[in-house]
Amino acid sequence: GAVVSQHPSWVICKSGTSVKIECRSLDFQATTMFWYRQFPKQSLMLMATSNEGSKATYEQGVEKDKFLINHASLTLSTLTVTSAHPEDSSFYICSASPGQDPYEQYFGPGTRLTVT
Amino acid sequence: AQTVTQSQPEMSVQEAETVTLSCTYDTSESDYYLFWYKQPPSRQMILVIRQEAYKQQNATENRFSVNFQKAAKSFSLKISDSQLGDAAMYFCAYRILYNQGGKLIFGQGTELSVKP
Repeated sequence: GAVVSQHPSWVICKSGTSVKIECRSLDFQATTMFWYRQFPKQSLMLMATSNEGSKATYEQGVEKDKFLINHASLTLSTLTVTSAHPEDSSFYICSASPGQDPYEQYFGPGTRLTVT
Repeated sequence: AQTVTQSQPEMSVQEAETVTLSCTYDTSESDYYLFWYKQPPSRQMILVIRQEAYKQQNATENRFSVNFQKAAKSFSLKISDSQLGDAAMYFCAYRILYNQGGKLIFGQGTELSVKP
């Protein structure tokens, strides 16, 4: 149980284009979803927290107009990287929480974004 | 603000031996969770062990155990009988019990290699 999927697992896009990454909770309802960014050999950096049906809360320093997060249902959240640039190339990981004690977070397998 | 510090960027252990990974944290909260996550080369985050701050007993999961020192704000992970499959990046993480959407704060990570 408690499986989270991400799609795509790897995406290559050209500079200036937008790319959407999906995060789905497959066997539970996710009240809260989190989006992380991870550079090679580094830790996970939280980008934003999203609750179903409300606007995402972005961490300080994260451009909300560049990284659009939508949490339209209890099983799906999307991250759209708008006008992508090579510096946006990274590994993006989502996690989902059923929103009940102990508020466990279940992680997706991640998406590797390469911007050329 | 809460912080998590892992002072060992890299550690190495001989197969079948025991290794301890260090983690310290800073918080003014009294109720929180602490976690150790494993990230193998696949980059899928795997929960290794969880400790509730209100519990005095150290958590144990098979070959993995923690030494939780609340007053010292220390949370180390001991891996006994190390196996080749234990080689991975290990992250210590902290989470406030109920506030801030339950977001995780990660340490910098410790890369563990296991020598056959």
